[in-house]
Amino acid sequence: DSGVTQTPKHLITATGQRVTLRCSPRSGDLSVYWYQQSLDQGLQFLIQYYNGEERAKGNILERFSAQQFPDLHSELNLSSLELGDSALYFCASSVGAVGNQPQHFGDGTRLSIL
Amino acid sequence: GNSVTQMEGPVTLSEEAFLTINCTYTATGYPSLFWYVQYPGEGLQLLLKATKADDKGSNKGFEATYRKETTSFHLEKGSVQVSDSAVYFCALSDQWDKIIFGKGTRLHILP
Repeated sequence: DSGVTQTPKHLITATGQRVTLRCSPRSGDLSVYWYQQSLDQGLQFLIQYYNGEERAKGNILERFSAQQFPDLHSELNLSSLELGDSALYFCASSVGAVGNQPQHFGDGTRLSIL
Repeated sequence: GNSVTQMEGPVTLSEEAFLTINCTYTATGYPSLFWYVQYPGEGLQLLLKATKADDKGSNKGFEATYRKETTSFHLEKGSVQVSDSAVYFCALSDQWDKIIFGKGTRLHILP
């Protein structure tokens, strides 16, 4: 058990819809990272928050947004969903902001777009 | 830009065989290097890391040495078990502290 909790585990929705994925980091971790894992693209870094502030941005689409709340949990919002957004979305957390610290991953949310 | 290249999978071995999964990287400066493992239905777990040249990371019988001269961080294990079947990801953290993952190598161990 990594200590990182992601909900829901599975999400099925239709094109054009909007969903919110939730992540609770490991106790004591201030950084939260979001990743998208698909068969063709592999594991893609989306965005990082540290102590409530956006710290690094990766390949995140404009239709996607995220935030980290004062209690350090984070939400990833995906809107105007397309078939290609079907993927596993992982959240990870680490103690600090720097990249050379180990990240602890949740079990992911599987998003299926019909 | 910075990148990580891993050997294509799947890799299929018999139990107790020697394992090598190749990983090479392109990066500016001195990145930290990692191997993560993903078991079926789970998230990634850190397997080992190395933060400077010639460092050797090790865990659960796996080893990898940070080779700056060859820009490599190959994963090795002397005797694999069926329970090692998983997807293995090589990764680096770049000068902007972003983590860049390789595409992953699926490993199957046959009893």
